[in-house]
Amino acid sequence: EIVLAQSPATLSVSPGERVTLSCRASQTVNTNLAWYQQRPGQSPRIIIYDASTRATGIPDRFSGSGSGTDFTLTIAGLQSEDFAVYYCQHYKNLPPMYTFGQGTKLEI
Amino acid sequence: QVQLVQSGPEVKKSGASVKLSCKASGYNFNNHYIHWVRQAPGQGPEWMGMIKPNNQRTSLAQSFQGRVTMATDTSTSAVYMELSGLAPEDTAMYYCARGATFCPSADCYTIFDSWGQGALVSVSS
Repeated sequence: EIVLAQSPATLSVSPGERVTLSCRASQTVNTNLAWYQQRPGQSPRIIIYDASTRATGIPDRFSGSGSGTDFTLTIAGLQSEDFAVYYCQHYKNLPPMYTFGQGTKLEI
Repeated sequence: QVQLVQSGPEVKKSGASVKLSCKASGYNFNNHYIHWVRQAPGQGPEWMGMIKPNNQRTSLAQSFQGRVTMATDTSTSAVYMELSGLAPEDTAMYYCARGATFCPSADCYTIFDSWGQGALVSVSS
């Protein structure tokens, strides 16, 4: 079973800054990795899939990179609505399995 | 627009069962799997399983096999998930999510592109 380790657990940043969040897989997942944003009291929202493809409606200040076991989510020019928890997720077929990391919380 | 509206919060005792619903609108209900994901307080999400509305084809995470039943009602575009043998560690927010397929190569994969608002299930001993 693949385990996703996210770091750091919490990141204190200021609006306007650039931040990079990390997700490391216990074994290679190619580019089968997505990132979700969860604002307080809300449901998760897809941000990035296929490691680097932005989902519909996601601003270009969000970017994803990586392949194999190491992935990053970068947010350039943090805005107030970006302060949330971010989860990485691995997805696979045959059999289907969807595994989430424990999240990184961005706080002001 | 795509909407998934879930049933309300539930309070249960250990050993009981809970049945949650998720009503879809704004898209062709038969074309997308519906997934169930739960999130315990302060934890990351955990995938439970999925169901294809038009044929009731179901796939469950190993940790939920034998405890979860899923069903759909295509006449009302509703999906149901029943979790039995509840324990306090099942206390969590339960979400339904729509699966969206993309094909970056010869293989196709699914992500969750729309989510319900969640239903809190609280289990006490």
